[in-house]
Amino acid sequence: DADVTQTPRNRITKTGKRIMLECSQTKGHDRMYWYRQDPGLGLRLIYYSFDVKDINKGEISDGYSVSRQAQAKFSLSLESAIPNQTALYFCATSDLSGTSTDTQYFGPGTRLTVL
Amino acid sequence: GENVGLHLPTLSVQEGDNSIINCAYSNSASDYFIWYKQESGKGPQFIIDIRSNMDKRQGQRVTVLLNKTVKHLSLQIAATQPGDSAVYFCAENIIGTASKLTFGTGTRLQVTL
Repeated sequence: DADVTQTPRNRITKTGKRIMLECSQTKGHDRMYWYRQDPGLGLRLIYYSFDVKDINKGEISDGYSVSRQAQAKFSLSLESAIPNQTALYFCATSDLSGTSTDTQYFGPGTRLTVL
Repeated sequence: GENVGLHLPTLSVQEGDNSIINCAYSNSASDYFIWYKQESGKGPQFIIDIRSNMDKRQGQRVTVLLNKTVKHLSLQIAATQPGDSAVYFCAENIIGTASKLTFGTGTRLQVTL
C-alpha cells in the first residue's frame, strides 16, 4: 500500500547530527502522526497534526520537532540525534469524516540508527 | 498510567486451525479499539475496529469480541494461514483524547504447517 510513504527507509547517522524523516500521503487525510517503535514496547506517539495549522506534542516529543508543510506532508526532525533515538519510526494518517472510528493508516517505517 | 497489553507474547497455531489473540485494557472510558497486524519490515496494517458500544464485529475471516465487564478484547482468525504470521496488537482510543491511540506491545502469531 503506497498511500503513505516514508523516506528514507533506513538511515544510519552519528550522535549530534540533524536528521529529517519525511512522510507523504495520497489518502487526502487531514490528520497525520509520528510514532516510534522500540523492541518490547508499543508504538509511542511523538507528534500529531490535525491540519496544516495544527501541531501537537505526543507523549515523547522531547528531542524531536515536526513540520506540516502541506496537507500531504509531515516531516519529523531530530535536531541533534542521540543513540537512544535509535528506533523504528512510523508515520500514520487518519480522517474521521465518514467513518465511525478514526482509524490510523501507517507508512512502511524508517529504521534509524544513531551511533 | 493506563495500560493496554496482551496476555501471550507468542502464539503458535497449526495451519487451518483458528487463532485467538487476546488483549486486556484498563481504561473504562474507551471509545473504540483497533486491531493491527504488523509483518516483519512493514508498518502496522489495519485489520478491524470495534466501537465500545458493540460486543462483536466480524470481517473477512476475523472476528473481534469485546467484553467490557472484564475489559478484554480478542481477535479471532478463522482457518489460519501462513500469511497470517505476524505480530498483532490492539490499540485503544480513550474518550476525550481526540484521535490518540494507546497501543499494546503485541503478540507474535506463528503459523506452523
